[in-house]
Amino acid sequence: SQQGEEDPQALSIQEGENATMNCSYKTSINNLQWYRQNSGRGLVHLILIRSNEREKHSGRLRVTLDTSKKSSSLLITASRAADTASYFCATGSPIQGAQKLVFGQGTRLTINP
Amino acid sequence: NAGVMQNPRHLVRRRGQEARLRCSPMKGHSHVYWYRQLPEEGLKFMVYLQKENIIDESGMPKERFSAEFPKEGPSILRIQQVVRGDSAAYFCASSPGANSNQPQHFGDGTRLSIL
Repeated sequence: SQQGEEDPQALSIQEGENATMNCSYKTSINNLQWYRQNSGRGLVHLILIRSNEREKHSGRLRVTLDTSKKSSSLLITASRAADTASYFCATGSPIQGAQKLVFGQGTRLTINP
Repeated sequence: NAGVMQNPRHLVRRRGQEARLRCSPMKGHSHVYWYRQLPEEGLKFMVYLQKENIIDESGMPKERFSAEFPKEGPSILRIQQVVRGDSAAYFCASSPGANSNQPQHFGDGTRLSIL
C-alpha cells in the first residue's frame, strides 16, 4: 500500500506566492524526505527530516513533521518559475541498515509568471 | 563530481526483445537502488544491491527481471522478453553506505518504450 500520499495532486499559483504541499503516511518512520522532479529528469533531494525533528529549513524551503498525525508539509516561499516541478515525499522502509524509499504520487506544482 | 549516470537515456525495444539498463553510482557509493516510475505516478522500489550482492529484490517481478552489481563496472537491470507493460522510466539511485538517514542520489533515468 502507498506509504506517502501527497495533497494536492496539482497546484497552480502565481510567481511570488507561497506553495504548500502536504504528505501523509501510514507507518512509523525514521525520517521523511522530500524530492523534486523536473519533467523528464531524475529526482533531486531537497530535505530530510528525522522523526525527532519538527521543523527544518533550507533556503526558501520549510518542512514540518507531525509524527502524531503522521503528516508532513513542504512550504516553498516566494515561488519562482523555476520551482515548477513535481514534488514527492518519501518514507524509508528499513532493509539491513539502509532503506528502500516509498513514494507518493506527487504534487505537480506550476508557477505562473 | 559526477552524479549517478544512467544509460541509455531512452531505449526502444520490440515485444520479446531484451532490455539492458546501466547505472554507474556516484563516486564512493557502494549501494545501488532501482526504482520504476509509470506515467503520472511516484517511483516504486524494485531492488537494492551492494557490490556482488542482491540485498532486497522484493519489488522485482519474479519473472523476466534480474539485476546485478558486479565487482567492476556498472549495475545492470535486465528485462528479458519485454512486454508493453514494461514501458516506464527506470531510475537508479545510490548512497555511500547503509545509513537510513542519508539521502539517495538519483540518476536521470532510462525511459523504456516497448513497441
